[in-house]
Amino acid sequence: KAGVTQTPRYLIKTRGQQVTLSCSPISGHRSVSWYQQTPGQGLQFLFEYFSETQRNKGNFPGRFSGRQFSNSRSEMNVSTLELGDSALYLCASSLTGPEDTQYFGPGTRLTVL
Amino acid sequence: QKEVEQNSGPLSVPEGAIASLNCTYSDRGSQSFFWYRQYSGKSPELIMFIYSNGDKEDGRFTAQLNKASQYVSLLIRDSQPSDSATYLCAVIRNSGNTPLVFGKGTRLSVIA
Repeated sequence: KAGVTQTPRYLIKTRGQQVTLSCSPISGHRSVSWYQQTPGQGLQFLFEYFSETQRNKGNFPGRFSGRQFSNSRSEMNVSTLELGDSALYLCASSLTGPEDTQYFGPGTRLTVL
Repeated sequence: QKEVEQNSGPLSVPEGAIASLNCTYSDRGSQSFFWYRQYSGKSPELIMFIYSNGDKEDGRFTAQLNKASQYVSLLIRDSQPSDSATYLCAVIRNSGNTPLVFGKGTRLSVIA
């Protein structure tokens, strides 16, 4: 069974730009969660989607948004990028939600200059 | 108080020893607890979960939960150099909009 895939793997942007990251979950998984990982803050929850509906959202500004498609693939968007948005963005898929076993993708390393 | 706290380490243990990783959490209503392992440059992978007070064993790994003390630990027996990684404790919250909260992780180094 193929694992969670994320594209792109690396991204360099400048302040003020916007970015879209993509996540394809494991086949059959309907829950996709997004996390931001930085050395200072660790792994922080961004949001979770299940069957195209956002069920939970973490404490991030409205510049961070996401969506999920009918095939469970998910995208997250960050608008008006700031230097502090530089991080590893991880998505994780599971059958039912974060309370279930989550499988993480390899992540997208975003650098904002 | 942080929601999930872990000693950042590094925790250094000799090969073959028992490594003990600890985690405390603040939400008394938390029900589910997870240990993830993250190798440098890689994404986290789940190694253990525990829901009930007491011990849960899986191979060389034992998770221990004490809800009264709001404490969860992970023991790694016969530690191997391949166990060198950052171990993340994660807790399912009983309330709030963040369902799963991670600690910042403990870096374990097993010395051959």
